[in-house]
Amino acid sequence: DQQVKQNSPSLSVQEGRISILNCDYTNSMFDYFLWYKKYPAEGPTFLISISSIKDKNEDGRFTVFLNKSAKHLSLHIVPSQPGDSAVYFCAASGGAGNMLTFGGGTRLMVKP
Amino acid sequence: EPEVTQTPSHQVTQMGQEVILRCVPISNHLYFYWYRQILGQKVEFLVSFYNNEISEKSEIFDDQFSVERPDGSNFTLKIRSTKLEDSAMYFCASAPELWETQYFGPGTRLLVL
Repeated sequence: DQQVKQNSPSLSVQEGRISILNCDYTNSMFDYFLWYKKYPAEGPTFLISISSIKDKNEDGRFTVFLNKSAKHLSLHIVPSQPGDSAVYFCAASGGAGNMLTFGGGTRLMVKP
Repeated sequence: EPEVTQTPSHQVTQMGQEVILRCVPISNHLYFYWYRQILGQKVEFLVSFYNNEISEKSEIFDDQFSVERPDGSNFTLKIRSTKLEDSAMYFCASAPELWETQYFGPGTRLLVL
């Protein structure tokens, strides 16, 4: 089941620079998208979300962009900080229920 | 800040045994969920629960699984007869309303031997 896909398993970025994490989806019924951050031995922590009626949502250092025609979303973190080092999951919901479908995650490493 | 809590953090059990995983959702939330993540795989939806009923379930959530809200605060996942392939991290989540953000607990790591 590859309805939500994160093609980059890992990303390394220098502190202070921009981190861009990407996510693609195939199910056109998805209309709500979320990014979660996960540290080892912890549960996913909600970061930011976007509804399909928008193409951008911003919260502090985090911005999510949605390109519905390409079925693609991205998370921008500016500036990146060492504490941002974690696994980032993209998730989507829509259609009849509210179950979340997750991507495989991208491990972000921010180097000091 | 309110958070979802889960107990135990780790559970080791023998194949064929019953396990109950417990969750305390955020207090004013109405929608409850269980997900799991097998090592090296994606987080997968198991079941959603609202108004004391299952509202959605995945193919994974077969007759071996059941959920219950035994009182006003706990939300439990029971696996009747565990199999080796049930070994995973199990995450509980809750949301205030149907289309609102789901907040996850820290998970229970289940190991079936």
